[in-house]
Amino acid sequence: EVQLLESGGGLVQPGGSLRLSCAASGFAFNNYAMNWVRQAPGKGLEWVSAIGGSHTTNYADSVKGRFTISRDNTKNMLFLQMNSLRAEDTAVYYCAKDRWDQLGMDVWGQGTTVTVSS
Amino acid sequence: DIQMTQSPSSLSASVGDRVTITCRASLGISNYLAWYQQKPGKVPQLLIYTASTLQSGVPSRFSGSGSGTDFTLTISGLQPEDVATYYCQKYDSAPWTFGQGTKVEIK
Repeated sequence: EVQLLESGGGLVQPGGSLRLSCAASGFAFNNYAMNWVRQAPGKGLEWVSAIGGSHTTNYADSVKGRFTISRDNTKNMLFLQMNSLRAEDTAVYYCAKDRWDQLGMDVWGQGTTVTVSS
Repeated sequence: DIQMTQSPSSLSASVGDRVTITCRASLGISNYLAWYQQKPGKVPQLLIYTASTLQSGVPSRFSGSGSGTDFTLTISGLQPEDVATYYCQKYDSAPWTFGQGTKVEIK
């Protein structure tokens, strides 16, 4: 069974840092692009970042320069290093797997909650 | 960056009704568009990719159409289990922007 399991969320003060992890299983992780998508309380989906199998990365303007996506294909793990956190980064963060043709996200984790507050 | 605008923001329809949701891109994106369904309290699920191709396991009452800047998601015969928020997402080039969502309720 294809599964994604996020961890690392929590409460952090503005300006602080947090590292999210996503453990993948049930598929050839190194062959697929992966994404982070977030959802602020009561709001819609916001794509945050993506990384290809060859480690090519992309970021939303709202997080560029503050967040870094990475992956460890030997451990089937996806990461999101979040620095200089702001109140507006408060959200549920989902890890999501791209389809093989990178034309949609076909598997999503359950999400991990990040709260930025003093 | 290309903006994705959905309409309406919410709608209420009766069971069995035909429901149409529109997604408009500020610039052409060919057919690089996906639709997602997010039921209350649940994780989003991929419904349609390349604007009109149904993801495996999705009921055939869902369909998508469009190309360029204008796209539609149609539910042919709304069911109670279709209560959800629906999002479009562009996939032509980064950033992979989502629309703001359309909330579908039963009248």
